[in-house]
Amino acid sequence: DGGITQSPKYLFRKEGQNVTLSCEQNLNHDAMYWYRQDPGQGLRLIYYSQIVNDFQKGDIAEGYSVSREKKESFPLTVTSAQKNPTAFYLCASSIAKGYPYEQYFGPGTRLTVT
Amino acid sequence: DAKTTQPPSMDCAEGRAANLPCNHSTISGNEYVYWYRQIHSQGPQYIIHGLKNNETNEMASLIITEDRKSSTLILPHATLRDTAVYYCIVRATQGGSEKLVFGKGTKLTVNP
Repeated sequence: DGGITQSPKYLFRKEGQNVTLSCEQNLNHDAMYWYRQDPGQGLRLIYYSQIVNDFQKGDIAEGYSVSREKKESFPLTVTSAQKNPTAFYLCASSIAKGYPYEQYFGPGTRLTVT
Repeated sequence: DAKTTQPPSMDCAEGRAANLPCNHSTISGNEYVYWYRQIHSQGPQYIIHGLKNNETNEMASLIITEDRKSSTLILPHATLRDTAVYYCIVRATQGGSEKLVFGKGTKLTVNP
């Protein structure tokens, strides 16, 4: 089955620790995205990548870092510099930039930092 | 990207049509209207999108007014599994932002 996988579904960390969230897609999509969702809120874009080895900051990139070494993978690291890291993190992908291709979302990772 | 306005919540009886409105009065000529939905604690799911003409797929119909300032998503026979938050998004094509700007959406509750 083609799709986007995110792991783990739930993640718990102590304050001050960096944590990396996994996102893998087998849809052969060029573009990948990371969003953050807080309770009762819409999604906010953290980072996106249109092509391997290239990525751009979204609206709330501070305290986060990403890499795009392979087309299939777009891991997100939540660093200790992120002031409020507890949130629901969603990864998405789309065919390419330009034409309004729809974005396909993974199941999400719920991160809790205490 | 243009902003959208949606009612915060709506109710619908199972088996009836659910009509979800969206205002996007500042939409520009190259912006498409997208609809996504999010079932609790899951990733958003794409439903449908359109530019000017009405669109229909296996999930829903999208009706866009002639002036493109508003649209309606129609779920023709709502089921309990359609209970979700529905997001209306407008987004440009080339030259515009590639991000999807999600507002708070409309929480649709389908009642038995």
